[in-house]
Amino acid sequence: QVQLQESGPGLVKPSQTLSLTCSVSGVFVNNRDFHWAWIRQPAGKRLEWIGRSYSNGNTNSNPSLRSRVTISLDTSMNQFSLNLTSVTAADTAVYYCARKNMGTVETFDIWGPGKLVTVS
Amino acid sequence: SYDLTQPPSVSVSPGQTATITCSGDALPKQYAFWFQQKPGQAPMLVIYKDTERPSGIPERFSASSSGTTATLIISGVQAEDEADYHCLSPDINGIPVFGGGTQLTVL
Repeated sequence: QVQLQESGPGLVKPSQTLSLTCSVSGVFVNNRDFHWAWIRQPAGKRLEWIGRSYSNGNTNSNPSLRSRVTISLDTSMNQFSLNLTSVTAADTAVYYCARKNMGTVETFDIWGPGKLVTVS
Repeated sequence: SYDLTQPPSVSVSPGQTATITCSGDALPKQYAFWFQQKPGQAPMLVIYKDTERPSGIPERFSASSSGTTATLIISGVQAEDEADYHCLSPDINGIPVFGGGTQLTVL
C-alpha cells in the first residue's frame, strides 16, 4: 500500500525558508512510472501546483513560484523535499505531497494527508 | 495566466443528479481530471482523462468533455457525496492548473 506523509515545521517566520519533506512508503521514488509533486491550498482558495521531481531527480516548478522553489529527491531515504524561500503571509496554506501516476491515470492518484504551514 | 472556471456551489436533493462544470480555453486539447475533497482531507481522484473512473469509485460518478467545458455528473446523489469538487487540467505549457472548486451540498 502506497502512502505519503508530509513533515516539517508548522510555523515559519516571514522572510525565512519553508522546508517540508514527504516520506514515501510502498513504492520507490526512483520508479520511472511516477513523478512526485507538491501542491498547496490556502484556506478558502484553489489548489495550486508548486512543482515536481521526476524519478531521475530533474525538477520543474510553477512559473509563479519558480524563483523561490527548490524540490529535491532523496532515493536513499525514499523521500522528496520542498524548500520555499522568502515566505510571506501569502504562503500560509495546507501543503500536500502527491504522486503523479504516469501510467493509466496520468495524474495525482495518491496524496499525503497535508501539512498546515503558517507564516507568522 | 490560465484559468479554469467552476461554479462556487451546487445543491441537490438526495437521489437527484448533480452536474458540475469546468470551463477552460485549453480543454479541447487537454484532458480534464476531477477530485473530491471532504473537509480536513486530501483530494481524492474520482475521474481521470475526461471520462474514466478509477477502481473503487462508485458508478454514479461519470463525466464528459466537449469543447471548452468538462462536466462531472453524479447520478443518484447520496449524502456521502457532499464535498468540494475540483477540476484539473494542464495549461498549454503543461503546467497543472486547478479550478476554483465547487461545493456540493446535499439538501
